Amino acid sequence: NAGVTQTPKFRVLKTGQSMTLLCAQDMNHEYMYWYRQDPGMGLRLIHYSVGEGTTAKGEVPDGYNVSRLKKQNFLLGLESAAPSQTSVYFCASSFDSAGNPNTEAFFGQGTRLTVV
Amino acid sequence: GESVGLHLPTLSVQEGDNSIINCAYSNSASDYFIWYKQESGKGPQFIIDIRSNMDKRQGQRVTVLLNKTVKHLSLQIAATQPGDSAVYFCAELPPKAAGNKLTFGGGTRVLVKP
Repeated sequence: NAGVTQTPKFRVLKTGQSMTLLCAQDMNHEYMYWYRQDPGMGLRLIHYSVGEGTTAKGEVPDGYNVSRLKKQNFLLGLESAAPSQTSVYFCASSFDSAGNPNTEAFFGQGTRLTVV
Repeated sequence: GESVGLHLPTLSVQEGDNSIINCAYSNSASDYFIWYKQESGKGPQFIIDIRSNMDKRQGQRVTVLLNKTVKHLSLQIAATQPGDSAVYFCAELPPKAAGNKLTFGGGTRVLVKP
């Protein structure tokens, strides 16, 4: 059981380049989240999704876009990377059941992105 | 928007002592809370959770206390071990009708001294 898998694990981008981070989960989870974590800081929510085909903005959505075309995948896109987007990005997923809507979120191992 | 704490204090603890990590949350609608542990270079890992209809929950060496009156969470680690050195985050989740955004606090770094 792979859980939550993020690709790539590391990436260096030049300012203005674009890229997509992929998050895949094999737990049939409904909810998926993208966070960024800056050095010595907590996790800030970028975007999230409560189901296939739905997305919503988090605390720091500017400069990012997401898509949830398939239930198991949640993509995070940077259209024009900026040095301020240098960070570690974490994806998480959690399960929504009719009788127990709130459950723990499982995290991927992170993607370390550097924008130069 | 509302948030859960936004700083990263450090708690130094002697091996074998008990640790208490505190967290203030701001969304009074949140009804589910989770403590996560993050070791260096890894993603956060679930430690323990608590629902808003409880004020205490115990796990293996860990206890979470919830005080809804003052919107405060704490994590107690008994007999702290070197392997407990990590950053600990609390997270809150409001009900589905309120958006279901899992929001994290800034975290507390725990350093266990031998």
